[in-house]
Amino acid sequence: SQQGEEDPQALSIQEGENATMNCSYKTSINNLQWYRQNSGRGLVHLILIRSNEREKHSGRLRVTLDTSKKSSSLLITASRAADTASYFCAPIIQGAQKLVFGQGTRLTINP
Amino acid sequence: DAGITQSPRYKITETGRQVTLMCHQTWSHSYMFWYRQDLGHGLRLIYYSAAADITDKGEVPDGYVVSRSKTENFPLTLESATRSQTSVYFCASSEQGLFGNTIYFGEGSWLTVV
Repeated sequence: SQQGEEDPQALSIQEGENATMNCSYKTSINNLQWYRQNSGRGLVHLILIRSNEREKHSGRLRVTLDTSKKSSSLLITASRAADTASYFCAPIIQGAQKLVFGQGTRLTINP
Repeated sequence: DAGITQSPRYKITETGRQVTLMCHQTWSHSYMFWYRQDLGHGLRLIYYSAAADITDKGEVPDGYVVSRSKTENFPLTLESATRSQTSVYFCASSEQGLFGNTIYFGEGSWLTVV
């Protein structure tokens, strides 16, 4: 299966804390993408990390990739109420023509 | 810059009726996708298309039909709607497939089959 599995399924933290979500996958990949979905909305692309990269930053987001462990993590620093959403990882294997998602991590930021 | 739009956004239909969900993108992206999202199942791929006149099945294609006569449009038809097809449907597009490319999603179409 080329889909990623996010962990934990749900995460609830206080505003200002950091949130870490993990993604595991089973096959060799070319890149891995993270998406966010706010309640009732479509998915929005957050960040892409290539297989030859180990870490990538975008604002308050930090993504790591460990291809030897077939895992990735998404760290959101200094969380805000607006970060409340579901987060999905999407590993992309070479030649893939379709994107398969896991069930995501539901993140709740409490004020 | 309209992006990717879905219509209708909300639809209630009866069992057995044919329903078509429309998807239009303004970027001339090659790839387009249809997903359904249900509690407990996450997002599941129904059909995808690599270019006009090229479509392929995803994980859950049964009961659905797609066409891609024009690059910008990718309608999804439920030939005879069933209650199990009550779901939120998302259309998405990508410029040249998935390698290094962002997938852009529409806002979703909420379909209820009664």
